[in-house]
Amino acid sequence: DAGVTQSPTHLIKTRGQHVTLRCSPISGHKSVSWYQQVLGQGPQFIFQYYEKEERGRGNFPDRFSARQFPNYSSELNVNALLLGDSALYLCASSFLARDTYYNEQFFGPGTRLTVL
Amino acid sequence: AQKITQTQPGMFVQEKEAVTLDCTYDTSDPSYGLFWYKQPSSGEMIFLIYQGSYDQQNATEGRYSLNFQKARKSANLVISASQLGDSAMYFCAMSHTDKLIFGTGTRLQVFP
Repeated sequence: DAGVTQSPTHLIKTRGQHVTLRCSPISGHKSVSWYQQVLGQGPQFIFQYYEKEERGRGNFPDRFSARQFPNYSSELNVNALLLGDSALYLCASSFLARDTYYNEQFFGPGTRLTVL
Repeated sequence: AQKITQTQPGMFVQEKEAVTLDCTYDTSDPSYGLFWYKQPSSGEMIFLIYQGSYDQQNATEGRYSLNFQKARKSANLVISASQLGDSAMYFCAMSHTDKLIFGTGTRLQVFP
């Protein structure tokens, strides 16, 4: 079975531009989460979507938005890019059962975004 | 608030030796999960091991074991018989409902 896939693998943008990152979860997984990993730090939670609904949001500005499609794939959009948005963006999928603290997440290879 | 602390920025270990990577956590929630992930230079986060807060026994997965001390709020990863391919960043994480909270990571380097 295919794992979590993300596209593109690398991306270079300039300040003020907009970017869209894409993620396809593992077949059967209905939950997708997005994380930002700045160089030298651990991943930071941005969003989680479950059954096309936003289930959680991290401490990120409104320039960051996401959505989940009927096939459970997801897009992360970032508007008005800043230099500080340069990071590895990781997507993770999980088979999220309701009301459980067990949330094993399977990560994709990430999209490395560079903002110049 | 939930927090993960990894105090070792870097660790060195000789091949075939065991190594312990430290992780402490802070939460007031009685139900939580603790994870360890490996991140090679390629960037992908690879799941290694999981420990639930109500699990009575320490988790083990092959050469990986998790030394869970609930009263001390620590969840150290032990890698036995280190291999050159174990060289990578290692992240401890805690699950809290909708997300994983990660520490800052430990870079492990295995030398021959």
